[in-house]
Amino acid sequence: AQSVSQHNHHVILSEAASLELGCNYSYGGTVNLFWYVQYPGQHLQLLLKYFSGDPLVKGIKGFEAEFIKSKFSFNLRKPSVQWSDTAEYFCAVISYNTDKLIFGTGTRLQVFP
Amino acid sequence: DGGITQSPKYLFRKEGQNVTLSCEQNLNHDAMYWYRQDPGQGLRLIYYSQIVNDFQKGDIAEGYSVSREKKESFPLTVTSAQKNPTAFYLCASSTQDRGSMFFGEGSRLTVL
Repeated sequence: AQSVSQHNHHVILSEAASLELGCNYSYGGTVNLFWYVQYPGQHLQLLLKYFSGDPLVKGIKGFEAEFIKSKFSFNLRKPSVQWSDTAEYFCAVISYNTDKLIFGTGTRLQVFP
Repeated sequence: DGGITQSPKYLFRKEGQNVTLSCEQNLNHDAMYWYRQDPGQGLRLIYYSQIVNDFQKGDIAEGYSVSREKKESFPLTVTSAQKNPTAFYLCASSTQDRGSMFFGEGSRLTVL
């Protein structure tokens, strides 16, 4: 069955530290990949997405993610986090075959000044 | 303004009662989704629909039902058969290529 794993459940960083959040998926066919963010009390919003082409994808607010097909991974990175990045981050995958958009369990990021 | 409207925002019900959550979108999106969000479990897919009059079960469809009679509407019924209905429910819609996905504000259901 299609699944998405986010191994970091809770990450605590100081401002200016670098961030990498892991995301692995289980489906072997053609997929679209997404990272969403949910700031406290707000809607889910799209950070970035990968459909095809350059596997290094740049999103909003300085985030980027790299699709590594051989590792079934789509890790999210940011070189220098800010306090305002405190939020919950969700990786999501949709396969061309099933059309099901499946989310990971989320990673809660806390950034301290 | 285009978007997704979920109602009600907060809902309380007694055990044994069915309740229907509304989801309406004016984005002309073909695909619509219902998710349940629980702490530590992320968003779990309940049902989804790619086209009017058609829908598929997600990973946790038991105890839920949906209909898709109109493109803009995708109501979710939480039946008395759902053993753990207290949760936050999110509706979403997307374009056919899934490039744009919008989420509603959510509905928080509490069963007393």
